[in-house]
Amino acid sequence: QIQLVQSGPELKKPGESVKISCKASGYTFTNYGMYWVKQSPGQGLWYMGWINTETGRPTYADDFKGRFVFFLDTSASTAYLQINNLKNEDMGTYFCARDGFVYWGQGTLVTVSS
Amino acid sequence: DIQMTQTPSSMPASLGERVTISCRASQGINNYLNWYQQKPDGTIKPLIFYTSSLQSGVPARFSGSGSGTDYSLTISSLEPEDFAMYYCQQYDSSPLTFGSGTKLEIK
Repeated sequence: QIQLVQSGPELKKPGESVKISCKASGYTFTNYGMYWVKQSPGQGLWYMGWINTETGRPTYADDFKGRFVFFLDTSASTAYLQINNLKNEDMGTYFCARDGFVYWGQGTLVTVSS
Repeated sequence: DIQMTQTPSSMPASLGERVTISCRASQGINNYLNWYQQKPDGTIKPLIFYTSSLQSGVPARFSGSGSGTDYSLTISSLEPEDFAMYYCQQYDSSPLTFGSGTKLEIK
């Protein structure tokens, strides 16, 4: 069956970087784009952007340009989200979702605290 | 960007009750509207796509309707497992945008 399994929770300090993985299984990875969605604590859902898994081209929503990087390891059917120079406001849960938004990862909680 | 105004933000309701959650887009979205359920453990479950099409495995008590800028999710008879957060999402144009959510609570 189709699954997206994300990496575990992260505790980081401001200024550090974090890398979140989203491993896909049960389908051909490069046939569907991968989207990223952020949920701040107690808040709603925010679209971060997506990555074309066939070409590797990322597209970022305006609020997520600069410190946020989407990339792939297609040999491992895995998409990654890296956040550089972490800020307190980056704290939250990050979800990956396959194109079509039928399949979602379980979410990865990122805590930023000095 | 298209703004999605979701109402109400919270809704106390009873088992067996019929409830409706609304989403209004700031411009027409051509029925490109999804609904999701999020449980307290954070798990997101897609319920409805393209306004009214039920995702596989979703109970028939869930239904969606709407057109233009106004859309709604209806649960015909609440079951215990339905008490959760609900979000709408438009995918007519980028950036994709979500409603702010509705917390369905037990009355």
